[in-house]
Amino acid sequence: EPEVTQTPSHQVTQMGQEVILRCVPISNHLYFYWYRQILGQKVEFLVSFYNNEISEKSEIFDDQFSVERPDGSNFTLKIRSTKLEDSAMYFCASSRDTNEQFFGPGTRLTVL
Amino acid sequence: GENVGLHLPTLSVQEGDNSIINCAYSNSASDYFIWYKQESGKGPQFIIDIRSNMDKRQGQRVTVLLNKTVKHLSLQIAATQPGDSAVYFCAENALTGNQFYFGTGTSLTVIP
Repeated sequence: EPEVTQTPSHQVTQMGQEVILRCVPISNHLYFYWYRQILGQKVEFLVSFYNNEISEKSEIFDDQFSVERPDGSNFTLKIRSTKLEDSAMYFCASSRDTNEQFFGPGTRLTVL
Repeated sequence: GENVGLHLPTLSVQEGDNSIINCAYSNSASDYFIWYKQESGKGPQFIIDIRSNMDKRQGQRVTVLLNKTVKHLSLQIAATQPGDSAVYFCAENALTGNQFYFGTGTSLTVIP
């Protein structure tokens, strides 16, 4: 069964550094998403991406964040200058339409 | 300051019993709902969905009930098994957009 994959599983970085989180969505899906989950808290929407552009973003997704689909398979989330409060699990998801979203296993980002 | 996590509602059931997990959603414009299961260290996993033109939908061992009048959603799991132990989230979406809002979650523990 096809699944969303994410790399790395755990990323440790120093405050102020740039990080890129990578995702490979399911191949015939057209919509891509990033969510984050701070430890012990609810899953929060960051951004959705369709047709090579951002379709929706939340207040969390400020100028420090960007997304890109650099080729036909990868979908990346970049945080330009990480802050301590960016420490969280980051989940990528994809969907064929605007309904059921399939989530990846997540990348745990730790900012020191 | 200290990042205090949300206190998750918890439900403990005996193996073989039925479980009912509840969710109150906030947006009366939401017209599509999903229940997700999240096991420790993993991403959310789709269980079942329902659109607002329905009040009940059944899957394998699971039933979702929707009461739009009071903005309430419930997930019923029949013959609960130890493998059902996880945190369960409801997520709501207005089909005019693709941003899902997740609830706080309920932690289900199945006692063998």
